[in-house]
Amino acid sequence: TQLLEQSPQFLSIQEGENLTVYCNSSSVFSSLQWYRQEPGEGPVLLVTVVTGGEVKKLKRLTFQFGDARKDSSLHITAAQPGDTGLYLCAGAWVGSSNTGKLIFGQGTTLQVKP
Amino acid sequence: GAGVSQTPSNKVTEKGKYVELRCDPISGHTALYWYRQSLGQGPEFLIYFQGTGAADDSGLPNDRFFAVRPEGSVSTLKIQRTERGDSAVYLCASSSQTNTEAFFGQGTRLTVV
Repeated sequence: TQLLEQSPQFLSIQEGENLTVYCNSSSVFSSLQWYRQEPGEGPVLLVTVVTGGEVKKLKRLTFQFGDARKDSSLHITAAQPGDTGLYLCAGAWVGSSNTGKLIFGQGTTLQVKP
Repeated sequence: GAGVSQTPSNKVTEKGKYVELRCDPISGHTALYWYRQSLGQGPEFLIYFQGTGAADDSGLPNDRFFAVRPEGSVSTLKIQRTERGDSAVYLCASSSQTNTEAFFGQGTRLTVV
């Protein structure tokens, strides 16, 4: 069974602080995606990483895919209240290029206080 | 439409009743996915359609759950004899192809009382 474990599950920080969210698995994923979900809304895709060791940046967000494609991290620099939300990692099943059939982690709830 | 639309937004039903949840995907998207998200958890894959056919229904928890997409556009997730454990947010997503980004709807919050 392929599983994705995220840590921490909850994070409450002050505006301006940095943070890292981790997504780990014992399985290899062909690609891994990070989503952000607001209450009452569906997840919105932030980034997709495909190559082992890949690093992608989206403004203050930095995403990294592990060399073995089993883990990933999301680092936020100088967090702002607008970053508050549920962050989800999701992997495409091994042997599948179907980026819509995903295994999701349980999510990290981030609260950034002004 | 501009995005994936799900109706109703909220549904409260009594245990044992039948419910239907509707998903209207982005126009032209051939792939459609249903997920279930329980409180405090990430979404869990249920079923995937390519066109009119269910290409993969391996995530449906049991035979009380069924989904259709008769004309390759709108899809309906049907749950028979609902149980309290079926309470969750049901999410629908669509993509133009299976290897492109999937866009999620806002979900239907189902509460079984």
